[in-house]
Amino acid sequence: QVKLVESGGGVVQPGRSLRLSCAASGFRFSYYALHWVRQAPGKGLEWVAVISFDGKNKFAADSVKGRFSISRDNSKNTVYLQMNSLKIEDTGVYYCARVPSPSAARPHNYFDYWGQGALVTVSS
Amino acid sequence: QSVLTQPPSVSGAPGQRVTISCTGSSSNIGADYDVHWYQQLPGTAPRVLIYGNSNRPSGVPDRFSGSKSGTSASLAITGLQAEDEAHYYCQSYDSTLSSSRVVFGGGTKLTVL
Repeated sequence: QVKLVESGGGVVQPGRSLRLSCAASGFRFSYYALHWVRQAPGKGLEWVAVISFDGKNKFAADSVKGRFSISRDNSKNTVYLQMNSLKIEDTGVYYCARVPSPSAARPHNYFDYWGQGALVTVSS
Repeated sequence: QSVLTQPPSVSGAPGQRVTISCTGSSSNIGADYDVHWYQQLPGTAPRVLIYGNSNRPSGVPDRFSGSKSGTSASLAITGLQAEDEAHYYCQSYDSTLSSSRVVFGGGTKLTVL
């Protein structure tokens, strides 16, 4: 069955960096676009970034543009989120989520599978 | 401030019918982009309930249904059950001259009385 497992979360000081990983199994990883979605404590869902099936197309939310970057290694069935210059407001649970499409920019995409999430706490 | 607007909370007694609205604008729902709905139980990841405005993935009970009209969408839950108590989020796509992105509603907490 489809499985997405995030790792790499933790406590980090403002201004520092952290890299999240999402290991996938149970499906043809290289066929699908993948997203990161986050949720601040007690708040709603916020889209963070997306990468296409081949890694050639990437998009990020304005709130993280220039600080976060998404990448993938199809040989390892893993997608990454490199988070630099972290701010307190980046605190939250980060979910890896799959869409049933290879495209990063298909407007009608929805998230058919989610990981369990990785908690990132930015605090001094 | 979310791009898509949902009521913060709704409630209903077991067996009743409730609806959750999701209001957007001409750059998202009104631009004919699909609306999708997710259920998030406490302490768990979201799961898709409705995709493509009104389609249910396998395993989702037919008590859940979705609709869309103009710049709004709705999720209806009939025969309310205790296990339906959760947060519900709508999601669509927003495209303007300056940016295109996935957008979510702020979420609605459903309380089963």
